Formats: sequence, C-alpha cells, structure tokens
Amino acid sequence: EAGVTQSPRYAVLQEGQAVSFWCDPISGHDTLYWYQQPRDQGPQLLVYFRDEAVIDNSQLPSDRFSAVRPKGTNSTLKIQSAKQGDTATYLCASSSGGQDTQYFGPGTRLLVL
Amino acid sequence: GDSVIQMQGQVTLSENDFLFINCTYSTTGYPTLFWYVQYSGEGPQLLLQVTTANNKGSSRGFEATYDKGTTSFHLQKTSVQEIDSAVYYCAMRGGQGGRALIFGTGTTVSVSP
Repeated sequence: EAGVTQSPRYAVLQEGQAVSFWCDPISGHDTLYWYQQPRDQGPQLLVYFRDEAVIDNSQLPSDRFSAVRPKGTNSTLKIQSAKQGDTATYLCASSSGGQDTQYFGPGTRLLVL
Repeated sequence: GDSVIQMQGQVTLSENDFLFINCTYSTTGYPTLFWYVQYSGEGPQLLLQVTTANNKGSSRGFEATYDKGTTSFHLQKTSVQEIDSAVYYCAMRGGQGGRALIFGTGTTVSVSP
C-alpha cells in the first residue's frame, strides 16, 4: 500500500511570492489533514477535510492560506503571499473513517527569504 | 483549551540505557493519546496509542503508560539502541470528538554507541 505522498519536497521563495503544495493521501482514506511544523516544534493543525468538506480551518490564516480537496482525494494547500514567518515544514496526513491513526507524508520544507 | 506538554527537550543516552519521557495533557472528556516518532527528513510515524479503555500500550520495545489521575502519559524503553535516536512527540486527540491531533513540542533522543 502506497503511503501519503507530497510534492514538492522543498521550496525556496522570496517574501511576497506564492507557492502551492500538493498531497495524495492513502487510497480510500476519507480524512485529510494539513499541519505546519516550524523548526524544532511539533506539528500544528492548519485545516482538515472529510471527503471534500472542510471540517476545521480555524487555524488557517485565511488572508493568505487556502486549501481545497475538490474530489475528496488529492488536496492542494496554497500560500498566496509568503512571509518569512511561514518558513516551516508542511505535513499532510490521512486517516480512514473512525480510525484514530493518522499517516503522515514526508512533508514539504519551505524556506521564505 | 486542549494542550500537551513535554518538558524534556533533549535526552542524551548511551546504548542499553533506560529511556523515560514524560508528557502531561489537559482536556475534557476522554482523550486518545499517542506517541509519534520522527526521523530526520521524514514525517512523524505512529509509535503507539492508548485510549482510556486500556491504560497501557506497547510497540517495538517501547511502552506507554497513561495515568488519568495525574493526566500524564509516559514513554519508556528498557534498553535503547542507536537506531532509536529521533524526535519523539506526545500527541492527543482531544475528548471533544474532533479528529485533529494536538502535539507536544517534542523530545530529541540521542543515543551514542
């Protein structure tokens, strides 16, 4: 069974530039999560979906961040105008139905100069 | 609100030493508690989970004990090896029913041969 895949693995931007991250969850997993992990900190939830519906986006900076999962499978997280404070690893995870276990992808490491 | 606290930022051991990492949590209801391990350049992997129905869990030689009275959740291993060097995160799915995980700040474990 393939795991969660993410691309790109690395991104380097100047402040003000836009960037998109892509996630392909484990096949059949209905719930998909995006976490932000600053250096030397634990992951922090940004948003999560069940199928195509947003369940919780209360921690997503809505002025610059957006996330979609239009067909309930793959998902895209976009930063419209990046800031240095967005420098972090962006992790995607997925889970199935009522199961507690979340499976994480390798992450996208973003550096904003 | 819900929170998870890991006070030990760094633990340095020699092979065959005893490992003990402490974690405390705060929530209402009945949480599910997890230990995740993260190796350099990878996403977190589930090590083990414990629910309020069973107050212990074990995997790969690690054991976690959950104490509802002190709201603590410890991870231990009797004899660590160099391959156990990684960052260990305590995480919680809160008792309110939301599916997102709340992570601690992580404990970096370094094991020398």
